[in-house]
Amino acid sequence: GEDVEQSLFLSVREGDSSVINCTYTDSSSTYLYWYKQEPGAGLQLLTYIFSNMDMKQDQRLTVLLNKKDKHLSLRIADTQTGDSAIYFCAESKGSGGYQKVTFGTGTKLQVIP
Amino acid sequence: DAGVIQSPRHEVTEMGQEVTLRCKPISGHDYLFWYRQTMMRGLELLIYFNNNVPIDDSGMPEDRFSAKMPNASFSTLKIQPSEPRDSAVYFCASSQTGRMNTEAFFGQGTRLTVV
Repeated sequence: GEDVEQSLFLSVREGDSSVINCTYTDSSSTYLYWYKQEPGAGLQLLTYIFSNMDMKQDQRLTVLLNKKDKHLSLRIADTQTGDSAIYFCAESKGSGGYQKVTFGTGTKLQVIP
Repeated sequence: DAGVIQSPRHEVTEMGQEVTLRCKPISGHDYLFWYRQTMMRGLELLIYFNNNVPIDDSGMPEDRFSAKMPNASFSTLKIQPSEPRDSAVYFCASSQTGRMNTEAFFGQGTRLTVV
């Protein structure tokens, strides 16, 4: 299957850490991504992780991958009001030149000042 | 490059009318995708092209939907006739072969309202 599932909504206080979770079903996924969609805009790639990695850190962002459980998470440290957006988890698989990307339904993050 | 450009940004039309959405991908990108985003169904892939050729249109909801890519710098998504349930934000995205992480670059979307 190609389902990518996320919870729909997360609310956190400014300064706290946010953890957005995602589960996927395809064990042959090669890359997993987190995209951010700000209001009225398209999706933008935030970060990605190769499937043979467990963790990737990029400034305030930490991505954790548990391949056994097919679970991906995005942790945002010191969450700011500007982090309020919809966050999409996505997976890709395939060989050769193209990897088909499947997106989750998105998690809306609300940051309370 | 200016990024993926979509037009119009907003479209309001009456039920039964034909609607045409337009997209200009990033120069040099050989993959183009059309997505639809709604509150109920999230982000859905409708169709994608490689080198102007439609590869997978299994996400196109009905025969009322059609997409073309006459050249590497232009694509259209047409709905004829439109219905209120087609109201959504339609995104175009492009990407480039050979990049291992296959980042997709999205346009700003067209918000379609069918009344």
